[in-house]
Amino acid sequence: EVQVVESGGGLVQPGGSLRLSCAASGFTFSNYWMSWVRQAQGKGLEWVANIKGDGSEKNYVDSVKGRFTISRDNAKNSLYLQMNSLRAEDTAVYYCARAVRDSEYSPFDCWGQGTLVTVSS
Amino acid sequence: DIVMTQSPDSLAVSLGERATINCKSSQSLLYSSNNKNYFAWYQQKPGQPPKLLIHWASTRDSGVPDRFTGSGSGTDFTLTISSLQAEDVAVYYCQQYYDHPSTFGQGTRLEIK
Repeated sequence: EVQVVESGGGLVQPGGSLRLSCAASGFTFSNYWMSWVRQAQGKGLEWVANIKGDGSEKNYVDSVKGRFTISRDNAKNSLYLQMNSLRAEDTAVYYCARAVRDSEYSPFDCWGQGTLVTVSS
Repeated sequence: DIVMTQSPDSLAVSLGERATINCKSSQSLLYSSNNKNYFAWYQQKPGQPPKLLIHWASTRDSGVPDRFTGSGSGTDFTLTISSLQAEDVAVYYCQQYYDHPSTFGQGTRLEIK
């Protein structure tokens, strides 16, 4: 079964850091672009970042550039999101999502259940 | 960034009736080299992650019932549910993946009348 499972969320103070992880199984992880997408409580979806299968290309939404870093370890079938200088507006459920095809321009056909990040003092 | 605007924000439809949700993009999502619209629809039920329904504007993802139909091209797109079932109650989102950053519509809440 194709699946991804996020972990690492929690409560952090403004200005703090957090590292999210996503464990993938059921597919050849290194063949797929992977993304992080977030959703604030009761709000819509916001794409955050993506990374190519071999890790050689990365893209970010402007609001997180310079603060968040996406990475992957294909030997461990894992995706990561290092979040620094966190702000209240980063509070959201963070989803790990797999691209449908081997392209950065792709929808997402496999989503995890999400991990909640709360930035508050 | 490409802005995606859905209408209506919420919709109540009787069981067995047709539901129609619209999405308009601020620029064309049709890529001329392959004649494909870089556009998708998702369904999100309470407490669940989004589920891909339609991509390339009109291609159903694997296992999606054929009562869900996507149509449109360029800047105007429509999701039609031909005969509403109780399990279709959800929030529906459109997405463009034509350009970075990929962006979503604000969502349309579909309820039973």
